[in-house]
Amino acid sequence: AQSVTQPDIHITVSEGASLELRCNYSYGATPYLFWYVQSPGQGLQLLLKYFSGDTLVQGIKGFEAEFKRSQSSFNLRKPSVHWSDAAEYFCAVVPFSGGYNKLIFGAGTRLAVHP
Amino acid sequence: SQTIHQWPATLVQPVGSPLSLECTVEGTSNPNLYWYRQAAGRGLQLLFYSVGIGQISSEVPQNLSASRPQDRQFILSSKKLLLSDSGFYLCAWSGSIQVNQPQHFGDGTRLSIL
Repeated sequence: AQSVTQPDIHITVSEGASLELRCNYSYGATPYLFWYVQSPGQGLQLLLKYFSGDTLVQGIKGFEAEFKRSQSSFNLRKPSVHWSDAAEYFCAVVPFSGGYNKLIFGAGTRLAVHP
Repeated sequence: SQTIHQWPATLVQPVGSPLSLECTVEGTSNPNLYWYRQAAGRGLQLLFYSVGIGQISSEVPQNLSASRPQDRQFILSSKKLLLSDSGFYLCAWSGSIQVNQPQHFGDGTRLSIL
């Protein structure tokens, strides 16, 4: 079965430091890949998505993610973190099954930012 | 522009009571609609999805049901709530049946069962 793993449950970084959040998926072919962010008590906001083409994708709020087929990974990065980036981040995939748009989410990574 | 509304934002219910959570979408027609549950410290689990009025697919067996009485209205219900139904419930919509269309989420309902 398809699955998404986010190995880091909690990450703490200092404001201005770089950030990388890890995401690995388990699937035989290349799925469609997404990163969402959730602020406390709120819904999810789409940061970026990957379908095909250039393996480095740019998103909103200065985030980017790189798809690496050989590692089955889609890690999220930001060169300089701001205090407002503190939130929970979810990686998600839609298996390319030709079926409905059914997202499979990772368990999430909670990001804390120290001033 | 499209917007999605969920209510109530917070709900506290006793065990055994009924439940009705509502979700509506504006600014689009014939959306795909989804209900997710987010348990503490865990990711999101898809509960139901709908591709049209009266068309509901259930992803996991559970104490909940869903209905879509109108094109842009999606309701999550239960006849008798269990303690295990506590969680954060999120409604989402996507504009197309195509798998590469992103989903857009509401602000969620925090449900606590006493």
